[in-house]
Amino acid sequence: GAGVSQTPSNKVTEKGKYVELRCDPISGHTALYWYRQSLGQGPEFLIYFQGTGAADDSGLPNDRFFAVRPEGSVSTLKIQRTERGDSAVYLCASSKRGTSGAEQFFGPGTRLTVL
Amino acid sequence: AQTVTQSQPEMSVQEAETVTLSCTYDTSESNYYLFWYKQPPSRQMILVIRQEAYKQQNATENRFSVNFQKAAKSFSLKISDSQLGDTAMYFCAFIPMNRDDKIIFGKGTRLHILP
Repeated sequence: GAGVSQTPSNKVTEKGKYVELRCDPISGHTALYWYRQSLGQGPEFLIYFQGTGAADDSGLPNDRFFAVRPEGSVSTLKIQRTERGDSAVYLCASSKRGTSGAEQFFGPGTRLTVL
Repeated sequence: AQTVTQSQPEMSVQEAETVTLSCTYDTSESNYYLFWYKQPPSRQMILVIRQEAYKQQNATENRFSVNFQKAAKSFSLKISDSQLGDTAMYFCAFIPMNRDDKIIFGKGTRLHILP
């Protein structure tokens, strides 16, 4: 595709439920990032993939959050036992590995609302 | 720890005027990139301008220019001849050079261009 796509655009769920958020990066981009943007804040890093492996997951807030990228392309962010504090926009970005200062291209995000 | 600070939560300016958004940052890295991102209501994060820390010359992109003061760790964005389409959240951001790593964002400045 032409850009990073994310589905769904909006997700409303109830406290305690499980959700999956999908990111489809730009074709050929080996690096993939997840960020979380709370209301009125800048995006905060969650996890970074290089290929299929998580190179840095230091931003995941707790063990309810997990992300995979099994084939090195599409990634899924999984949140178990959702809490109201998980409500935010979840942004995905991808970049081309090996280019110094490679630009990260962002998707439009998924707005998650936990009731 | 690396931090990015934007001291202006919100600004308004008349169309066609010039506006400057402030940003300061803190890092022990010697080589890095600085960015200004624009986020309109569509949530799409768009790269406006990028500055390499080793370059003394300030970056420019059409109506957008920066004032980069490395010693002061200051990186302001100037928008000339502002247009209604410039209305958005603007985020200052930082990333170390030669690393595929997380972007550190500021909290943002909400800019309103008034007709």
